[in-house]
Amino acid sequence: EVQLLESGGGLVQPGGSLRLSCVASGFTFSTYAMSWVRQAPGKGLEWVSAISGSRGNTYYADSVKGRFTISRDNSKNTLFLQMNSLRAEDTAIYYCAGLGATIFWGQGTLVTVSS
Amino acid sequence: DIQMTQSPSTLSASVGDRVTITCRASQSISSWLAWYQQKPGKAPKLLIYKASTLESGVPSRFSGSGSGTEFTLTISSLQPDDFATYYCQQYNTYFTWTFGQGTKVEIK
Repeated sequence: EVQLLESGGGLVQPGGSLRLSCVASGFTFSTYAMSWVRQAPGKGLEWVSAISGSRGNTYYADSVKGRFTISRDNSKNTLFLQMNSLRAEDTAIYYCAGLGATIFWGQGTLVTVSS
Repeated sequence: DIQMTQSPSTLSASVGDRVTITCRASQSISSWLAWYQQKPGKAPKLLIYKASTLESGVPSRFSGSGSGTEFTLTISSLQPDDFATYYCQQYNTYFTWTFGQGTKVEIK
């Protein structure tokens, strides 16, 4: 069974940093492109970042470019999102998702940016 | 960037109704479109991928159609469990996804 489990969310002050993790199981992680998608309270879904499977090519939404860094450790089946210079508008549930023959999602982790 | 326009934003319907939601892409995305159902406090649930392929375990009353720039999600007979918000998503660009604004299906 495919599973994605996010962690690392929490409360952080504006300008602070946070590192999210997503542990994958049930599929060959290294061969799948992985993404982060977020959802602000009461709002729709917003794609944040993606990384290719083996080469590790990275992609970012304009709203996070230069502040967020996506990475992966294929030996540990883990996806990361390093978030720096956080703003109030980054407050959201962050989901990791994988794209293969189908698309699968984790349950999300909540990030709150507030003083 | 590919923009996705979903309509309507809200839909009021009764149990047993046939419901259709439309998603339009700003340029052709072939059949690289997915539909999700989301309930409050839950992660999005994949219903349809590649425009018309039903995800395993999803009831057959859900169906998807379209290609290029125009897509529809149809619920043939609305059930009480189907009141939720629905999103379309393009993944034609593979790595850079775009979502529609969402359609909330409410009880009439």
